[in-house]
Amino acid sequence: NAGVTQTPKFRVLKTGQSMTLLCAQDMNHEYMYWYRQDPGMGLRLIHYSVGEGTTAKGEVPDGYNVSRLKKQNFLLGLESAAPSQTSVYFCASSRFAGLSQPQHFGDGTRLSIL
Amino acid sequence: DQQVKQNSPSLSVQEGRISILNCDYTNSMFDYFLWYKKYPAEGPTFLISISSIKDKNEDGRFTVFLNKSAKHLSLHIVPSQPGDSAVYFCAALRGNTDKLIFGTGTRLQVFP
Repeated sequence: NAGVTQTPKFRVLKTGQSMTLLCAQDMNHEYMYWYRQDPGMGLRLIHYSVGEGTTAKGEVPDGYNVSRLKKQNFLLGLESAAPSQTSVYFCASSRFAGLSQPQHFGDGTRLSIL
Repeated sequence: DQQVKQNSPSLSVQEGRISILNCDYTNSMFDYFLWYKKYPAEGPTFLISISSIKDKNEDGRFTVFLNKSAKHLSLHIVPSQPGDSAVYFCAALRGNTDKLIFGTGTRLQVFP
């Protein structure tokens, strides 16, 4: 029972490099989300998707792009990494949005930008 | 502008006693509240929730209380166990919007 799987678990990048974080869920959930967690800030929503082929901006979208080409996958891209993007990134999914649909989270990707 | 606030960054409680974690919010449009629990190197896991039409929801050792007039909710854990040691996040949702707003978390340590 995999749930939500994030790849990779750790990564170190140099400023200006690009990379893609992969999130995969096997629960047939419609909604998927990307968050970042910084010390003293809680979790903040970067981008989300309400279904295959859709994406929408969250609270802190700048510097990130996302794609949802397949229902089970949600990709988060950093085109030109900056030290301010050093964070722990969490992916989550839910069957639908709103009431009584708790989000299921992956175990996170720890990203350091030097 | 922090719409959901957890003003206590940490809490230490003896095993068997009650743990009370607090959360305050500013947006009166929130109508659903959730608590998530997070262990190190793992993602948050859903613990318990409450709708704004209720003032209490109970699930085993966990009870969430909501005071709408004070815009305050609390999570009670009774009795506390060492396995409850984790970071607890309060989160809020408005209607059928897609976006959870998280608090900054409270680290609970339960000692023997």
